[in-house]
Formats: sequence, C-alpha cells, structure tokens
Amino acid sequence: EDKVVQSPLSLVVHEGDTVTLNCSYEVTNFRSLLWYKQEKKAPTFLFMLTSSGIEKKSGRLSSILDKKELFSILNITATQTGDSAIYLCAVSSGNTGKLIFGQGTTLQVKP
Amino acid sequence: GAVVSQHPSWVICKSGTSVKIECRSLDFQATTMFWYRQFPKQSLMLMATSNEGSKATYEQGVEKDKFLINHASLTLSTLTVTSAHPEDSSFYICSARDQGGAVSEQYFGPGTRLTVT
Repeated sequence: EDKVVQSPLSLVVHEGDTVTLNCSYEVTNFRSLLWYKQEKKAPTFLFMLTSSGIEKKSGRLSSILDKKELFSILNITATQTGDSAIYLCAVSSGNTGKLIFGQGTTLQVKP
Repeated sequence: GAVVSQHPSWVICKSGTSVKIECRSLDFQATTMFWYRQFPKQSLMLMATSNEGSKATYEQGVEKDKFLINHASLTLSTLTVTSAHPEDSSFYICSARDQGGAVSEQYFGPGTRLTVT
C-alpha cells in the first residue's frame, strides 16, 4: 500500500530558529514529491521535486529529495510567526498524477 | 496563474439531505480533477479522481453511491454528498490538473466546509 509519512507531527520553535521537516515515502509509480503549506484554507504550493540531490530554494525555504533513500526534507531558516502552519508532503503517483498526502507537520513559531 | 474555485465555501444541511459542491477551473481546461476530504487536525485524503466525460475512480473505502461525482465539462466537476449524516461533516477540497501542464501539477480550490446537523 502506498504511504507517505511525515515527522515530526508537530513542532514548536521560537522566531529565528531553523527547522527541518521530514517526509519519507513508499509509493509505486513515483512521479514527484510536493510540499504544501496549509493555513486556514486549501494548501498552497511550495515546491515540486522530481530529481534527486537538487535543492530547490525559495527565500528562507529550501527542499531536497533523495530518491534512493525515499525521503525529502523541507528546511525553514530564520523562522517567523507567519511560518506557523501545517506543512504537507505529497507524492504524485501514476499516470493520473493523484497525490498521496502525509499526515502533515504542524509548526508553531512563537515570538 | 491557474485558479480553481469552489462553491459554496461553506454549507450547513440537515441529516438526510443531499448537498452539491462545485469545482471550477477558471482559466484553464482540466480533464482531471481530484476530490479530497480533510477532517480536523488530519491530512487530506483523496476520495476520487474525476475524469471529464467518464466515470470517476474512487479510492478504497469511499462509497461511490454516497459521493456522486460528475465531470461534465473541461472546467466543471461536481461532488454530491447524498443522504448526508453528521459524520460526513468535513472540509472538502478539489484540485484540478491543467490539461496542458505537467502530470503532477495540481491547483487547489479554496475548499468547502460542510456541516451536517
């Protein structure tokens, strides 16, 4: 059975800290791995990773994929209270591109 | 950018009634749309894959007779929750795949919060 597992499930840090969120997967017909940020409504897209070892970066956020070990990490440096959200990892599978989501990591950044 | 809308954004209905939720791609054509359900403090669970002009593909454990999906055009998919019960109360989110885009690229609607009393 396809599965995506995120850790930790929740995390509380202070502003300025650096956090690393983990995502491991076992999925047949892997296409890509995606990271989303969810606040009050639907998820907003952060990154899509398809190749191993190539870091993607957007401001204070970065992510990398290891297709041999079947995991990805999402790093957030110099965290701010606005980074507080649920971070979702999803793997796109098969010809339809359906997404299999992990449980999410709830990040709380305290001032 | 690609925009997906959902209507309504929230709905309250009585037990036993049916509720229809619409998902529209506003500026692109979507042969494939996806319906997800999210319970409080949980992740998104894929319910079904909706294909324009054909029957939807449901995930294991999702009752197709209870959650009716119709994808009648390249820009519209609907999810009807039939004979709703309080346990169907949830956040329903759709996403759409751009016909001309990458397979993995999906655009999410803002979600519909359903409360069944």
